[in-house]
Amino acid sequence: GAGVSQSPRYKVAKRGQDVALRCDPISGHVSLFWYQQALGQGPEFLTYFQNEAQLDKSGLPSDRFFAERPEGSVSTLKIQRTQQEDSAVYLCASSLQRGSSYEQYFGPGTRLTVT
Amino acid sequence: GDSVTQMEGPVTLSEEAFLTINCTYTATGYPSLFWYVQYPGEGLQLLLKATKADDKGSNKGFEATYRKETTSFHLEKGSVQVSDSAVYFCALSANAGGTSYGKLTFGQGTILTVHP
Repeated sequence: GAGVSQSPRYKVAKRGQDVALRCDPISGHVSLFWYQQALGQGPEFLTYFQNEAQLDKSGLPSDRFFAERPEGSVSTLKIQRTQQEDSAVYLCASSLQRGSSYEQYFGPGTRLTVT
Repeated sequence: GDSVTQMEGPVTLSEEAFLTINCTYTATGYPSLFWYVQYPGEGLQLLLKATKADDKGSNKGFEATYRKETTSFHLEKGSVQVSDSAVYFCALSANAGGTSYGKLTFGQGTILTVHP
């Protein structure tokens, strides 16, 4: 079946522009995570949704970052007034239920480059 | 806070060599431990996991044992293949009672290259 998909795969933004990154999780998956992966580093947690509820946004680096999942399926990560330090790969993952017993399935990521 | 430390890379081996990638962690309580792999051009995928002390996770010839006394989860394979060339990430998920939801904390990754 279809895995987690993300779009766009690549995004180049000029500093100061707003961007929106989309994640389509596996159908029926309750949990959805966003991670940020800087070059040469491991992914770092940004935010977590259980269905449409954003239960943890402790990893969002600033108030320029905003995420939503209004109907409990597709999620969008929005970055306002992008800065060069926002350049990274943004990964989305979904799992069937809440809890570490359930495998997280990762999408291919969106590579954001801010010039 | 929780953290994961992996051995520095990159690691370069010849085919059929023995592989060890070290991983240690810091966490409160008893986290679940994972190894994820990222093959060239592909997304992250789960390789193996262990959820309690002394558990051994295994998959595709890879093994790792959850060692609480040394807070470690080293990845091993007895005979690597060229197709094992990838980036390997150690990760943990805290289990804080009923509030845990599976958030992962990753190490920095280790690049493995296997030559024929």
